[in-house]
Formats: sequence, structure tokens, C-alpha cells
Amino acid sequence: EADIYQTPRYLVIGTGKKITLECSQTMGHDKMYWYQQDPGMELHLIHYSYGVNSTEKGDLSSESTVSRIRTEHFPLTLESARPSHTSQYLCASSESYTIYFGEGSWLTVV
Amino acid sequence: AQSVTQPDIHITVSEGASLELRCNYSYGATPYLFWYVQSPGQGLQLLLKYFSGDTLVQGIKGFEAEFKRSQSSFNLRKPSVHWSDAAEYFCAVGPRMDSSYKLFFGSGTRLLVRP
Repeated sequence: EADIYQTPRYLVIGTGKKITLECSQTMGHDKMYWYQQDPGMELHLIHYSYGVNSTEKGDLSSESTVSRIRTEHFPLTLESARPSHTSQYLCASSESYTIYFGEGSWLTVV
Repeated sequence: AQSVTQPDIHITVSEGASLELRCNYSYGATPYLFWYVQSPGQGLQLLLKYFSGDTLVQGIKGFEAEFKRSQSSFNLRKPSVHWSDAAEYFCAVGPRMDSSYKLFFGSGTRLLVRP
């Protein structure tokens, strides 16, 4: 199992604010992911990374951006949050075709 | 295009009863197959996975799943449900030839357990 840590777990912010969701994993996995999940809905991949300095957009278009400067760290940033960004964001990492998830970050934009 | 179908949005079972959650996939070749569970306000926990070999796989918490190639299905089962099993269950597939290890998820099945 991978240990994946996400902070903050819950965040309520105002429209127009810049936010960064933090994600760290301790297992040295090269591949990491961000999924977005609206309440009661399926997960959609928004970003993934093969390793340091490698990021790709996922299948669901997102206004967020990511960076991968260190293997263990994969933060997600929204430059100007809007109510449409209200959702749960799940970070994950993978080893040998198996993906392990963090606890998720619940974002509410008011 | 690949797709994952979980036809049951909600399922309610009595505690102690057996459970089967359905999952069908559409893909050109047999993908890797997974079941995850999500408790309210939590992330996803891996229950079990199928890569190859024995088509009946055992997972955590007493769950098992059977891969049926002819039906493109990977149904999840448990012989006796506990109240703590109430959660959302997601089936997922991962293309074998995709080095990114991306997963595609079904829309989930919410399990309710009657006392």
C-alpha cells in the first residue's frame, strides 16, 4: 500500500482566490495522478505525471495546473477559483499498474 | 472507446445477506480490472484486482470478484454483508498497453445495509 497525504482535507474559499492542493507520497512511485469527483459521481482524470518534470492533462478538461519538481510531491493549483470548481480532488500514485488513492481534498468555492 | 458500466446505482441488502455488484466493460482487449470502495468523505480503497490467471480473485474485507471474459464482466461478491460495508463501490479498468497506468471508472454503486 502507498501512503499518500493530501492537504487540506476541507477548504472553503471565496471566488477569485488562488489555492494549492498539496499531495505527497512516501513510496517513491514515479506515476502520480489527480482525479476530480463531484458528489455521487464517477471519477475523472484531470492530470497525471510519469515522473519529475513530466505532467500531462487527463481526459477531463480542467483549469487547474500541476507541477512535479520532486518525485514525492504533486501539487495542484487553481489560479482563480470559481464556484464551478467546487468538487472533491483525489490524488493518487501507482506501482505496477495498481493505483493507490489519498483521502481526498474537498473544495468549496463560494 | 473504453467504457465501464455499473448498472445498479443503488443496492440495498439486509445485514448477513449475500451481495453481488455488477460491472461490465467495453474494451478492445482484456484490461486490468479493479474494485475500489469509498466511504463517505474518504478516498478510495483498493478491494481487489485482476491482472491474469485465476478468474476468481480474493480481496480484502471478505470480498471476491469473478472475471468472465465471454461476458466482459467483473462482478464483486460477498457472502455475508456487514453494516460497515455500506459505502460506494467503483469498478475500474486499466488498459494493458498504456504505460501511464490510467484508470477509467464506472459511475459507482451505492450499497445500503439494512439492520
